[in-house]
Amino acid sequence: TQLLEQSPQFLSIQEGENLTVYCNSSSVFSSLQWYRQEPGEGPVLLVTVVTGGEVKKLKRLTFQFGDARKDSSLHITAAQPGDTGLYLCAGAKVETSYDKVIFGPGTSLSVIP
Amino acid sequence: KAGVTQTPRYLIKTRGQQVTLSCSPISGHRSVSWYQQTPGQGLQFLFEYFSETQRNKGNFPGRFSGRQFSNSRSEMNVSTLELGDSALYLCASSGTGARNSPLHFGNGTRLTVT
Repeated sequence: TQLLEQSPQFLSIQEGENLTVYCNSSSVFSSLQWYRQEPGEGPVLLVTVVTGGEVKKLKRLTFQFGDARKDSSLHITAAQPGDTGLYLCAGAKVETSYDKVIFGPGTSLSVIP
Repeated sequence: KAGVTQTPRYLIKTRGQQVTLSCSPISGHRSVSWYQQTPGQGLQFLFEYFSETQRNKGNFPGRFSGRQFSNSRSEMNVSTLELGDSALYLCASSGTGARNSPLHFGNGTRLTVT
């Protein structure tokens, strides 16, 4: 059973379209991070959200942390081929002294020129 | 600043053998975490080391073990390899491993067990 669920699992869109990727859990997280992974490379951190309801923007990417700190979304405006990759959300569990970071299964995004 | 370095990049082993993977974290980083990535299971947490001590552990069998040296470099060992151990093994370092610390990943070691 996945502690973190992501949807959709796969997404193929045309350049210029908008999209939203979701990350959901029944657990509360102290923070949630979004990473992007390109083929043959390790994941690279995009953003960390900490406060419930927090919204962060990174150029065309908008990240939101749910009020209850159980879910998050990533919205991309006017997607470009360079946005292609595997998007991973990762939650730091609250109950341990030193958080164990748990990853979701990822959303594989393909932006077609 | 050099990134996280993992060696080797690719490895082919036979069932029953053992393997050791190496990870050199970013200079000054004291926390090193290991993850197994497969298409079916995604990124699964193996363990985390901080100042040569295992601080967190995932749900993997005892065949998977690791250690960290005084210079923060870490090794991961898998004994009695099984076909299902074929995966991309990723190492990540962070400054303190405290909450909200970003993980800096290496490019992984691709292990194939035949």
